[in-house]
Amino acid sequence: QVQLVESGGGLVKPGGSLRLSCAASGFTFSDYYMSWIRQAPGKGLEWVSYISGSGSTTHYADSVKGRLTISRDNAKNSLYLQMNSLRVEDTAVYYCARDHKGRSGSYPYWGQGTLVTVSS
Amino acid sequence: QSALTQPPSVSGSPGQSVTISCTGTSSDVGSYNRVSWYQQPPGTAPKLMIYEVSNRPSGVPDHFSGSKSGNTASLTISGLQAEDEADYYCSSYTSSGTVVFGGGTKLTVL
Repeated sequence: QVQLVESGGGLVKPGGSLRLSCAASGFTFSDYYMSWIRQAPGKGLEWVSYISGSGSTTHYADSVKGRLTISRDNAKNSLYLQMNSLRVEDTAVYYCARDHKGRSGSYPYWGQGTLVTVSS
Repeated sequence: QSALTQPPSVSGSPGQSVTISCTGTSSDVGSYNRVSWYQQPPGTAPKLMIYEVSNRPSGVPDHFSGSKSGNTASLTISGLQAEDEADYYCSSYTSSGTVVFGGGTKLTVL
């Protein structure tokens, strides 16, 4: 069965960096677009970024453009989110999610999430 | 990339029907049939309930249905059950090649 497991969250100071990972299993990883979606405490969902199966295409929300970078290693069935110049408003649970098909923007599979806290 | 507009809360009694609206623009909901709905009970990851406006993934009960008219999509839950109580989010693909979510709606089963 499809499984997505995030790791790498934690407490970081404003301006700091963090790298999130998502280990995927149960499907042919390179066949699917993958996304990062976040949820600030007590708030709604916010789409952050997606990457194509080959890694050649990426898109970002305006709020993270230039600071967060999505990447993948298909040989390791892993998705990453490099987070630089972190701000207090980046505090959230970060979920990795697999697209339904192509770049549909529908996510039938989600990880359990990893919490990133940006605070001094 | 403004969030799609959802009512903050809706409520209904068991057995009743409720509809949650999701209003976007001609750059997202109005232009694409890539509208999805998610259910999120407290402390859990979101669960896909509807994709491509009106399609239910395997395992989603048939008392959940979706539709769209113009720039507004809707999720209807008929025959409300206590276990339907949760937060619900819509999302849409956009003309910018990104995805946008709604602000979320808290469904209370009275």
